[in-house]
Amino acid sequence: QSALTQPASVSGSPGQSITISCTGTTSDFGAFNYVSWYQQHPDKAPKLMIYDVHNRPSGVSDRFSGSKSGNTASLTISGLQTEDEADYYCSSYTSISTLVFGTGTKVTVL
Amino acid sequence: QVHLVQSGAEVKKPGASVKVSCQASGFTFRNYGVTWVRQAPGQGLEWMGWVGGNNGNFNFAQKFQGRVTMTTDTSTNTAYMELTSLKSDDTAVYYCARKVGTNWFDPWGQGTLVTVSS
Repeated sequence: QSALTQPASVSGSPGQSITISCTGTTSDFGAFNYVSWYQQHPDKAPKLMIYDVHNRPSGVSDRFSGSKSGNTASLTISGLQTEDEADYYCSSYTSISTLVFGTGTKVTVL
Repeated sequence: QVHLVQSGAEVKKPGASVKVSCQASGFTFRNYGVTWVRQAPGQGLEWMGWVGGNNGNFNFAQKFQGRVTMTTDTSTNTAYMELTSLKSDDTAVYYCARKVGTNWFDPWGQGTLVTVSS
């Protein structure tokens, strides 16, 4: 199972909006809406930011939003803040009941 | 407060095995699954597999088939991941996480560094 494809890096200025894409195949995304996004700061454990494409867990800022169209999912961070600087990973349930992560995107706040 | 605490760092020789533990608190352990994810130095996240809290269901990434065992002990609310026939490229931080939905994990343990070196 190959990793989902994400851009290596995305940057933006404070207050701007950025979008991170996550592209897979039909067997990765399939007919499911089981895409999640994780934020990881250096030397820290990942933190769940979005689940089931667009749902936010309790405590996650509404500046984070998710969507999916066909075989591409997206994470948008609006009103970019310095603390948003981190690595972001998408993940998807697959048609063979496994899970695959994206390649990861480093977000830099300029 | 939902919490997962993992065992400490390990140093192993090639060919050896390692067993990492993940103790849960703050929720009914048997009602959730546990997933294991690893991250090699400077690399991305790699899903290894998941196991039901009551040890009923499990699934592993194909690359780990035959080398990994994932178990749970509901009497101590602890999950275990054992990886055998270690190679240098198994050097990584190994994370456990509570499997809440079909494919989402929250929270995560603090991670366990496993170093494989001769």
